[in-house]
Amino acid sequence: SSELTQDPAVSVALGQTVRITCQGDSLRSYYASWYQQKPGQAPVLVIYGKNNRPSGIPDRFSGSSSGNTASLTITGAQAEDEADYYCNSRDSSGNHEGVFGGGTKLTVL
Amino acid sequence: QVQLVQSGAEVKKPGSSVKVSCKASGGTFSSYTISWVRQAPGQGLEWMGRIIPILGIANYAQKFQGRVTITADKSTSTAYMELSSLRSEDTAVYYCAREEVFGVVYSYFDPWGQGTLVTVSS
Repeated sequence: SSELTQDPAVSVALGQTVRITCQGDSLRSYYASWYQQKPGQAPVLVIYGKNNRPSGIPDRFSGSSSGNTASLTITGAQAEDEADYYCNSRDSSGNHEGVFGGGTKLTVL
Repeated sequence: QVQLVQSGAEVKKPGSSVKVSCKASGGTFSSYTISWVRQAPGQGLEWMGRIIPILGIANYAQKFQGRVTITADKSTSTAYMELSSLRSEDTAVYYCAREEVFGVVYSYFDPWGQGTLVTVSS
């Protein structure tokens, strides 16, 4: 199965813009989905497909993709955005296994 | 609005098995795909496998082949994940999630169950 690579940690000043990236071969042909996870809670979907937000997710969250890299951008980061973020895709094998990135811990300063 | 409610925490001995349930409400259960994802303490998310209840077909991550069995009971809208030959490294929170699939373009997991802590200890 393919791998997805994320930076372990990223920080952003309150109100500034931050981009969290996810790299992997499967992303050349399959859009990533992104999940926010706060301590002790289940993950929450924040972005899926080309750039879709589920109901209730603020519009400061957006997604993009280029080549083998998917990105989650938070424009005007808020204190409540401090969390772990995971990307997900499917691998390119015939089994269509799900695969997650290792996660990025976002700190809002 | 689909909701997934999982069974409670479990403590198991090494070598034994555990079966976690995931009961769905809202929507049409048979038309879902349900995936299972686990998270070891302080670690990331790991996809284990999925089932399509309407077809009764499951597929599993290579890592768990032969050790995990995912089933679904359409009459009770409940999916199950059974993991056998437990070892300490299987200590984790196990989540179920509905997986929406859009061809070979994208998929996503939403919503998620609340998670079930499985502790493997002698």
